[in-house]
Amino acid sequence: DAGITQSPRYKITETGRQVTLMCHQTWSHSYMFWYRQDLGHGLRLIYYSAAADITDKGEVPDGYVVSRSKTENFPLTLESATRSQTSVYFCASSRDTGGETQYFGPGTRLLVL
Amino acid sequence: RKEVEQDPGPFNVPEGATVAFNCTYSNSASQSFFWYRQDCRKEPKLLMSVYSSGNEDGRFTAQLNRASQYISLLIRDSKLSDSATYLCVVNINFNKFYFGSGTKLNVKP
Repeated sequence: DAGITQSPRYKITETGRQVTLMCHQTWSHSYMFWYRQDLGHGLRLIYYSAAADITDKGEVPDGYVVSRSKTENFPLTLESATRSQTSVYFCASSRDTGGETQYFGPGTRLLVL
Repeated sequence: RKEVEQDPGPFNVPEGATVAFNCTYSNSASQSFFWYRQDCRKEPKLLMSVYSSGNEDGRFTAQLNRASQYISLLIRDSKLSDSATYLCVVNINFNKFYFGSGTKLNVKP
């Protein structure tokens, strides 16, 4: 049971480049989430999706784009990477929301030079 | 103002000690509450949900005080394996989750 996976696990890119982080879950969970984790801020929600083709902004969506054409995939794209987007990115899924447990992927460590 | 505030610690305690963490939240419309555990350079994992009546899971006890808008986590008989960062999480409007910055616990032999 693969659960929830993220790729790549590590990425170095340059300012201005487009970067896509992938997230894949095998549980057919309805909800998926993208967070970034920075020192002093904890995890902050970037975008979430309630189902295929339904996405909405979280706390810090600027500079990011998401899509969800299939239930199992939820890619996050940085259209033009900036140094301030250097962070650890976690994808999560949950069967439902509210009181449901979120299951996190292993994270992607992104460095923007 | 952050939605969820936690003391960053670190809390350094000996094995067998009892340790308590508190977390405060700012939005009175918050609907559900959780404690997650995060090991160094790993993903967060659910430790326990927090219910209004308080709940216990082995050595761990969680309490919720809606009037004062704080959540607590008590760990009894600390083990070396309890060393981690503990994240307080608050859910608002079902779809949005807010994480505290975490409280670091070091349990020493």
